[in-house]
This record gives sequence, C-alpha cells and structure tokens, in this order.
Amino acid sequence: DAGITQSPRHKVTETGTPVTLRCHQTENHRYMYWYRQDPGHGLRLIHYSYGVKDTDKGEVSDGYSVSRSKTEDFLLTLESATSSQTSVYFCAIRGAGELFFGEGSRLTVL
Amino acid sequence: GENVEQHPSTLSVQEGDSAVIKCTYSDSASNYFPWYKQELGKRPQLIIDIRSNVGEKKDQRIAVTLNKTAKHFSLHITETQPEDSAVYFCAALYHQGGKLIFGQGTELSVKP
Repeated sequence: DAGITQSPRHKVTETGTPVTLRCHQTENHRYMYWYRQDPGHGLRLIHYSYGVKDTDKGEVSDGYSVSRSKTEDFLLTLESATSSQTSVYFCAIRGAGELFFGEGSRLTVL
Repeated sequence: GENVEQHPSTLSVQEGDSAVIKCTYSDSASNYFPWYKQELGKRPQLIIDIRSNVGEKKDQRIAVTLNKTAKHFSLHITETQPEDSAVYFCAALYHQGGKLIFGQGTELSVKP
C-alpha cells in the first residue's frame, strides 16, 4: 500500500463545531486530494493540491477549506460542521499516474 | 465544465456472463481515464487505466475501450466471478492533469 494515512478515522461531532481531518503521505507525491463519498453520489472532489500552498476547488468545496504547508500533509477543515457534511472522507495522493486512496475518515455531525 | 456520467448505477449478472459499464466525459478532459473498484467497507483501488493515445487496453478478464470522438469509455469484464461483486468507478483527469473527477459508480452484483 502507498504510504498514506488519515486521521482521525472516526469522529462524531455536533453541528456548528470546527473539524479538521488530516492526510499524511510518505511518498513525496505532488498531488493530494480530498473526496467525500455518499450513497448515490459516488466520490465527489472537495479540494485538491498540486504543491505546497497550491490548492484548487473541486465539485463540492462550499463549507470546506484546505491547507498544505508541507508536501506530506494536507488538511481539510470544516469551519462550522453541518449535518449535510456527515460523510466518509477519503484522502488520495497521486504522482505521475495512479491515484492511491487512504482508508477513509467517517465523520458524523449530530 | 468538468463532468463524468456513468451508467448503469446497478448491474446484476450471472456468474460467467460479461459485464459492461459505460462512462461519458465532457469536453475538457485530458488524456487519462482510470477505473477503480471498491469492495464493501474498503478504499477504492485502481484496476485498469487508459491514456488517450490508445483505443483499448486489456488485463486478463478486464478491458477498457476509449472512443475520443464520442467522448466515452467503457469497462468490460468477461467471465465474471462472485468476487467481482463491488462498486466500480470511472474517472477522467481535468485541468491540465490535476483534477480527477469520478463518475457516480456502478454496483455490480455477480450471482453464483
């Protein structure tokens, strides 16, 4: 498996609280991604990064922000979590071709 | 804009039959089209990919075809087995090779 880890793996929080998910890689890959997976919607891109401090929006970026201050870390922040953000979040990394996914983080917003 | 449409959303076949999943992509996709398989409770994993300079690629029982004129690509699984049961996703690369957009997924069920 590619060296990619997500934390936390599970989190339950309340509406209105801030949440940060962390993605860490040991592969020195240029590209890092955050997707959310919901039944009937597949994998939807939230934000992605193409280098340190270089990020861009995806398909469903509203309510989310990201930061990449080091090659190995890509943080996803929900400034004020809502119930609609209950989902499984996958981080992924990509070098020249194949996308490798992390194990996912299950977030429940009550 | 960037969009990938995938059909069907569910597919049920008998063991030994073939399965075909189709995807279409919008104009601005670049040259890379991968397919991922996701088993229940696990992360998606690459099963095959194709670049736009070829029309077909095979790997044992799996093949992918690409029609750039029609902007669609398809996954073909022959001699299906129960362990092929999973959700399959197509994807296309956009924005000068940075943004990977997925289709909605196809839940394949192979009945023994």
